Amino acid sequence: AQKVTQAQTEISVVEKEDVTLDCVYETRDTTYYLFWYKQPPSGELVFLIRRNSFDEQNEISGRYSWNFQKSTSSFNFTITASQVVDSAVYFCALSEANEARDDKIIFGKGTRLHILP
Amino acid sequence: EPEVTQTPSHQVTQMGQEVILHCVPISNHLYFYWYRQILGQKVEFLVSFYNNEISEKSEIFDDQFSVERPDGSNFTLKIRSTKLEDSAMYFCASSARQSTNYGYTFGSGTRLTVV
Repeated sequence: AQKVTQAQTEISVVEKEDVTLDCVYETRDTTYYLFWYKQPPSGELVFLIRRNSFDEQNEISGRYSWNFQKSTSSFNFTITASQVVDSAVYFCALSEANEARDDKIIFGKGTRLHILP
Repeated sequence: EPEVTQTPSHQVTQMGQEVILHCVPISNHLYFYWYRQILGQKVEFLVSFYNNEISEKSEIFDDQFSVERPDGSNFTLKIRSTKLEDSAMYFCASSARQSTNYGYTFGSGTRLTVV
């Protein structure tokens, strides 16, 4: 069965600090996709990244970076030099890429991030 | 960039009433989904739809729920007799190909309030 665990329910940091959001996943498939979504107070889901299970290279996009460690089944997300606009709920998610099954996305419970001015 | 469009953005309905949520998926996508997010909780899969039929549904998707693609462009979620606990944000999504998540796109959601 698929499962995504985001152990941090809520995090508060002061602006300009770095912050890492943890994500641990479980799946029996060897091929899968991992995602991060941002949900601002307005409620929409903003896509941040999708990572294929075969691609363990870390990724950096501006102030955002992702650390994919297959050995520990983790896909952590770091925001460098945080800004107030980063305040949101962040969801880690997993989808199994199995031709015989549907590719529904399983979400973690989310981490609410507060960036304090 | 192509979008998944959901209407209305907010719907208020009385308990026991039927409600239909509307979605226009991206035009060349073949796979369609509905998800639900109760306030303050995680996003949960409801149902997936391909080739004019349901391909998978969750335990949440009971007999009160149905989906339809009536005209080749719209994808609707109907709740037959709403309950208070159906109050949630409902997200529609579409994707181009199964098992690759190619172009998997969410709409901006419909907030359903049952009173």
